[in-house]
Amino acid sequence: TQLLEQSPQFLSIQEGENLTVYCNSSSVFSSLQWYRQEPGEGPVLLVTVVTGGEVKKLKRLTFQFGDARKDSSLHITAAQPGDTGLYLCAGEKDSNYQLIWGAGTKLIIKP
Amino acid sequence: KAGVTQTPRYLIKTRGQQVTLSCSPISGHRSVSWYQQTPGQGLQFLFEYFSETQRNKGNFPGRFSGRQFSNSRSEMNVSTLELGDSALYLCASSLVDSHNSPLHFGNGTRLTVT
Repeated sequence: TQLLEQSPQFLSIQEGENLTVYCNSSSVFSSLQWYRQEPGEGPVLLVTVVTGGEVKKLKRLTFQFGDARKDSSLHITAAQPGDTGLYLCAGEKDSNYQLIWGAGTKLIIKP
Repeated sequence: KAGVTQTPRYLIKTRGQQVTLSCSPISGHRSVSWYQQTPGQGLQFLFEYFSETQRNKGNFPGRFSGRQFSNSRSEMNVSTLELGDSALYLCASSLVDSHNSPLHFGNGTRLTVT
């Protein structure tokens, strides 16, 4: 059972376009993390959001945690080829502190 | 500071064999977690070690085991390999424990079972 659903699974767009990817669940998480994984490498943590409604910005990337702490979104403005990668979200539940991972959104930015 | 190092990077094994993967965490990190990554399935948690003790375990069969040494280096072992064990195995270290400090991942060991 996939507790965290990421959509879309795959996205290919042109450089300069904007995009949003989603991470949804019916469960409440105490915090949610976003990672980017490039081919041949391990995931790298981008951001952690912990408060419902929280918005964090990392240059052209904007992360939002849903008010009910069940979902999150990642918006990229003016995407660049360097943004290409697999974007993973991972939620932490208070009950056992294990991270629950989504299957990821594979993003390709074409020059 | 050196990152998390996993060896080997690639492995090809046949069904029924066993395999040992190694992970050296970032210096000073005491927690090591192992994950299995397959396309479309995301990261599946295998286990977490802290100070040589297994602190958490995922829902994998007993063929998957691990250990941590006094220097925090960790190994995982898979016995009686099956075709479905083909995956990228990722190790991540953190300073204290995986839910209070960020995870730092290695580049993984890609295991192919034929």
